[in-house]
Amino acid sequence: KQEVTQIPAALSVPEGENLVLNCSFTDSAIYNLQWFRQDPGKGLTSLLLIQSSQREQTSGRLNASLDKSSGRSTLYIAASQPGDSATYLCAVYNNNDMRFGAGTRLTVKP
Amino acid sequence: DAGVIQSPRHEVTEMGQEVTLRCKPISGHNSLFWYRQTMMRGLELLIYFNNNVPIDDSGMPEDRFSAKMPNASFSTLKIQPSEPRDSAVYFCASSFQSGSSYEQYFGPGTRLTVT
Repeated sequence: KQEVTQIPAALSVPEGENLVLNCSFTDSAIYNLQWFRQDPGKGLTSLLLIQSSQREQTSGRLNASLDKSSGRSTLYIAASQPGDSATYLCAVYNNNDMRFGAGTRLTVKP
Repeated sequence: DAGVIQSPRHEVTEMGQEVTLRCKPISGHNSLFWYRQTMMRGLELLIYFNNNVPIDDSGMPEDRFSAKMPNASFSTLKIQPSEPRDSAVYFCASSFQSGSSYEQYFGPGTRLTVT
């Protein structure tokens, strides 16, 4: 059974810092890995999707990497802004099942 | 496109009542997912449809939960009878399943409170 872990559970940084969020999974036989953002009281917004054959994806200030063999993914956020404050979740898809991590709650202080 | 639409956004009901949650996926998407999110258990996949057919309902907690997808543009998740422990946010998501690409788009969720 796939298990997804996100570290740290919470992170607080000053505005402008670059930061890395971590996601690890136990079963490397995945179809893809997806990073989401969730704002309080709202649904999930898809940020980046990495296919199993890919090693990274970039969108603006966001860069996600995938290392299947080690069961790890990182989400890099450059030049963080207060508007980046949210909970970030990673989800792994395999065998018709999607497993989510518990998320990292990010606070970017002005 | 308006995105995934869910209704109602909030539902408060008494224990024992029937609850029906509704979802309209993004037009053209062929897969639909129902999730439940709680503080204790995080986000859990309940059931997954592909081309209106339930593929995997192993995440449905018990027989009180049922889901239907009568056509490509509508799905329901029903809880009967409801219990306080069913209180959670229920998300619907849709995707266009092509090869190994399953990027999902989520609705805003329905916050269910059972008293």
